[in-house]
Amino acid sequence: AQSVTQPDIHITVSEGASLELRCNYSYGATPYLFWYVQSPGQGLQLLLKYFSGDTLVQGIKGFEAEFKRSQSSFNLRKPSVHWSDASEYFCAVAPNYGGATNKLIFGTGTLLAVQP
Amino acid sequence: NAGVTQTPKFQVLKTGQSMTLQCAQDMNHNSMYWYRQDPGMGLRLIYYSASEGTTDKGEVPNGYNVSRLNKREFSLRLESAAPSQTSVYFCASSELSSSGANVLTFGAGSRLTVL
Repeated sequence: AQSVTQPDIHITVSEGASLELRCNYSYGATPYLFWYVQSPGQGLQLLLKYFSGDTLVQGIKGFEAEFKRSQSSFNLRKPSVHWSDASEYFCAVAPNYGGATNKLIFGTGTLLAVQP
Repeated sequence: NAGVTQTPKFQVLKTGQSMTLQCAQDMNHNSMYWYRQDPGMGLRLIYYSASEGTTDKGEVPNGYNVSRLNKREFSLRLESAAPSQTSVYFCASSELSSSGANVLTFGAGSRLTVL
């Protein structure tokens, strides 16, 4: 069965430090890949997505993610974290054929805390 | 620029009571979804509607019903609430991108507590 794993439940980084959040997936073919961010008490906002092409994708708020087929990973990175980045981050995957509206699978999330 | 609007934002129910969560989107999206979010479990799909007039079960449909009232509105009903339905509920909508992927837009969530 398809699955998404975010191995880190909780991460704390210092403001200004670099960040990498891990995401691994289990899927028969290269899926569509997403990262969403959820601020406290808010809904989920799309940070970035990978459909095809360049394996390094840029998103909003200075985030980027790299798709590595050999490792079945789609890790999220940011070179310098700001206090406002403290949120919960969700990786998600979906089949790479059109119309699969019910097949988006979410990871369990990584809660990011930022120390001053 | 409302996007996806959910009501109510908070609700407390007693076991056995019924209620309906309302969701409306103004982006002319065809597909709409209801998810629940529980600690340590991510988001799980309850029901979805691929297009107006159709609804289908997701991963955790038991205890819920839905209605796709029109293209804009998709409601979730709990007929007899149970404590296990205490959760945060998210409505979302999507449209197929040119690449064939659905990109979801989420509402702000509805926090439901069942006593």
